[in-house]
Amino acid sequence: DSGVTQTPKHLITATGQRVTLRCSPRSGDLSVYWYQQSLDQGLQFLIQYYNGEERAKGNILERFSAQQFPDLHSELNLSSLELGDSALYFCASSVTEKNYGYTFGSGTRLTVV
Amino acid sequence: ELKVEQNPLFLSMQEGKNYTIYCNYSTTSDRLYWYRQDPGKSLESLFVLLSNGAVKQEGRLMASLDTKARLSTLHITAAVHDLSATYFCAGYSGGSNYKLTFGKGTLLTVNP
Repeated sequence: DSGVTQTPKHLITATGQRVTLRCSPRSGDLSVYWYQQSLDQGLQFLIQYYNGEERAKGNILERFSAQQFPDLHSELNLSSLELGDSALYFCASSVTEKNYGYTFGSGTRLTVV
Repeated sequence: ELKVEQNPLFLSMQEGKNYTIYCNYSTTSDRLYWYRQDPGKSLESLFVLLSNGAVKQEGRLMASLDTKARLSTLHITAAVHDLSATYFCAGYSGGSNYKLTFGKGTLLTVNP
């Protein structure tokens, strides 16, 4: 157990729907990162939050949004889902922005049918 | 923007043999990371290389960093089946954007 908790582990939903993925960072970690992993695109950085504030944005679609709450857990919201959104979504956390390496969660496997 | 390239992308080797995975990156990277991923699982941190000439070893794996050549290597010595996994390198370009940029990964299969 890495200390980064992601729920749910698996999610199957229909096109057009909206889902929320949840991440609890490792105790003491202030930064949360979201990554999408697919066969064709590899690991793509989506977004980073640090202590509740958005800090960096990557290749995140407008249909996707995220936030980090005062207790530091984070949620990634995916809406108007398309087949191509099927992927593994990882959350990672680190202690500070200096980032001496992330600790990854076990991921949420999203299947859009 | 930082780009990270790994090669080979697929590597099939026999137990007991040695091999090297290469990771090239396009611009200055403050540090270089190696991760391991088993199928359907999370990414496990292997090494963090923080400076030019850094070398780290853990068991049969040794990683090194040459910042002048913008190259990191992951050397596998006397491979065993348990090392079969996908290995990723990732660079960090610093500044105000703290994301890691990952290579596409090297799928390593060690055959008995």
